Amino acid sequence: RKEVEQDPGPFNVPEGATVAFNCTYSNSASQSFFWYRQDCRKEPKLLMSVYSSGNEDGRFTAQLNRASQYISLLIRDSKLSDSATYLCVVNKDNQGGKLIFGQGTELSVKP
Amino acid sequence: GAVVSQHPSWVICKSGTSVKIECRSLDFQATTMFWYRQFPKQSLMLMATSNEGSKATYEQGVEKDKFLINHASLTLSTLTVTSAHPEDSSFYICSAEDITSGPDTQYFGPGTRLTVL
Repeated sequence: RKEVEQDPGPFNVPEGATVAFNCTYSNSASQSFFWYRQDCRKEPKLLMSVYSSGNEDGRFTAQLNRASQYISLLIRDSKLSDSATYLCVVNKDNQGGKLIFGQGTELSVKP
Repeated sequence: GAVVSQHPSWVICKSGTSVKIECRSLDFQATTMFWYRQFPKQSLMLMATSNEGSKATYEQGVEKDKFLINHASLTLSTLTVTSAHPEDSSFYICSAEDITSGPDTQYFGPGTRLTVL
């Protein structure tokens, strides 16, 4: 089983749509969770950290369910500029800050 | 936000040569930096953890004698790919941990695209 597993993509959606990404992780000791976005041939950029209580940043909402070891990202009113690959990222353990990346889910928002 | 730079952004070299990649944290100090590799259509794979003033720790399967890491200051880590071969062609990305931004928060450099002929 992969340490971090995401929905296989790609997701092709029209502008304005709501899209949800799902992610599961295998290490119950993980304490830090993130969503990054990566544009083609660029480095990953931090989109948001994910907290147990859930958190929202504008059109983006992240949820964490520790019991199920499940993380989600919801994008509302999607824009053309949201087209990218979304990476679910989990810290490996509580020592040393190592991050484990999911394989990513590609999103393509069409006019 | 925190800025991390990498140099060079791309490099093409002949098989057998060594290539040095620099990673700098521009506006913060990083005792810990990380080196990743990304092959096409795949996710980032952690290669090693670079610790200022001490030896790097390598992930399983990564040859430490082939990928030399030096973290001589709080703002600079270097990765040297020694005797590069075509199978080393990849996108190498560094990150620096900014502990003032929260636990495990890493900022990534723009990456170095290495092509070995």
